[in-house]
Amino acid sequence: EIVLTQSPGTLSLSPGERATLSCRASQSVSSSYLVWYQQKPGQAPRLLIYSASSRATGIPDRFSGSGSGTDFTLTISRLEPEDFAVYYCQHYDTSRLTFGGGTKVEIK
Amino acid sequence: QVQLRESGPGLVKPSETLSLTCTVSGDSINTYYWSWIRQPPGKGLEWLGYVFNSGSANHNPSLKRRVSISIDTSLNQFSLYLTSVTAADTAVYYCARTNWNYYYFDYWGQGTLVTVSS
Repeated sequence: EIVLTQSPGTLSLSPGERATLSCRASQSVSSSYLVWYQQKPGQAPRLLIYSASSRATGIPDRFSGSGSGTDFTLTISRLEPEDFAVYYCQHYDTSRLTFGGGTKVEIK
Repeated sequence: QVQLRESGPGLVKPSETLSLTCTVSGDSINTYYWSWIRQPPGKGLEWLGYVFNSGSANHNPSLKRRVSISIDTSLNQFSLYLTSVTAADTAVYYCARTNWNYYYFDYWGQGTLVTVSS
């Protein structure tokens, strides 16, 4: 079973700053199946990035994904007020889908 | 516009079976996979399983065979059944459309809170 570990647990930043979120897999995984979501309180998650680096429809270009093997990164180039939320990574492998524990991006 | 809506009881007694239905509009349920995901209060996301239009399903093995998912293509609905529930199954349950090439969830229902309590 692949385990996804997200770090840090909480990221305290100011609007306009750059956010770098990490998702580490317990073993090498296919980047084709690495996905990122954003979740705000009381809402369903929203798809941001799929296949490690492809932005979903309507996602602003300040969001970018990168990585391969065991280490993946979600970068928000300049935080907007609406970007403060919890972010999850997710992976698919051998008929099983797994989520990371999440990173909360909060206003400093 | 694809929309998903969960429906079902908000309160289930321990040891009973949790049953939820997701109604899909704006898309045919004959395309894509269709998943259930849950989120205990204040915690992270857990994938429960997905179903194909054929009725074949794939479930999270960590749930030890307590989960089953069925589909009714004539009604554009799919359903979740979780047996022998305990308080640990209290969560917001989401249904979601699942891309079968990249296995991501692109459309979600708003979620429904199910509480397990006597």
